[in-house]
Amino acid sequence: SQQGEEDPQALSIQEGENATMNCSYKTSINNLQWYRQNSGRGLVHLILIRSNEREKHSGRLRVTLDTSKKSSSLLITASRAADTASYFCAPFDRTYKYIFGTGTRLKVLA
Amino acid sequence: NAGVTQTPKFQVLKTGQSMTLQCAQDMNHEYMSWYRQDPGMGLRLIHYSVGAGITDQGEVPNGYNVSRSTTEDFPLRLLSAAPSQTSVYFCASSRDWGLAKNIQYFGAGTRLSVL
Repeated sequence: SQQGEEDPQALSIQEGENATMNCSYKTSINNLQWYRQNSGRGLVHLILIRSNEREKHSGRLRVTLDTSKKSSSLLITASRAADTASYFCAPFDRTYKYIFGTGTRLKVLA
Repeated sequence: NAGVTQTPKFQVLKTGQSMTLQCAQDMNHEYMSWYRQDPGMGLRLIHYSVGAGITDQGEVPNGYNVSRSTTEDFPLRLLSAAPSQTSVYFCASSRDWGLAKNIQYFGAGTRLSVL
């Protein structure tokens, strides 16, 4: 079964709005990473948060991590049409494996 | 600096045929992995390697073999292709597996159809 489970599965918003995606996982982790995939392309790393961190920012991205609830969220502020993509969380577990979830498909309408 | 290179980009096989998907990285990364991506299923880990000569199984290893004789290359072999192996395959690498900065770099993918 998938380690990372994203929610919602699909999200459609207007340009300029914020987009929030959530991720839940099952085991202890070293870190958790978020990736973006444009249609038909390989994944691109967005941001990494370590297990001892609670929040991290990178440009318009904000990631939070709650290890007690085994959950993370990715916030994209002031969305643009170019943010349209699928977003995946990837918990990196203590057995040195990345287990990706099924992703959130984000559509930003111009 | 090419990053992670996968070949071929597209492949059509008949049931029962064997083939090798190639993956090479030029970043001297220790950690390499193979995933398959099916519609609605996200990425599933097939095999991974934490260094030359060391490989291990992921979530869905059946029907696939890997080897890691060099740091640069991590080929994925389909022993006897089945229609259920129709998928998009991604190879990825990261500098290290023991540190907290183990960002993965992905190849462009191989689209495989098994008839």
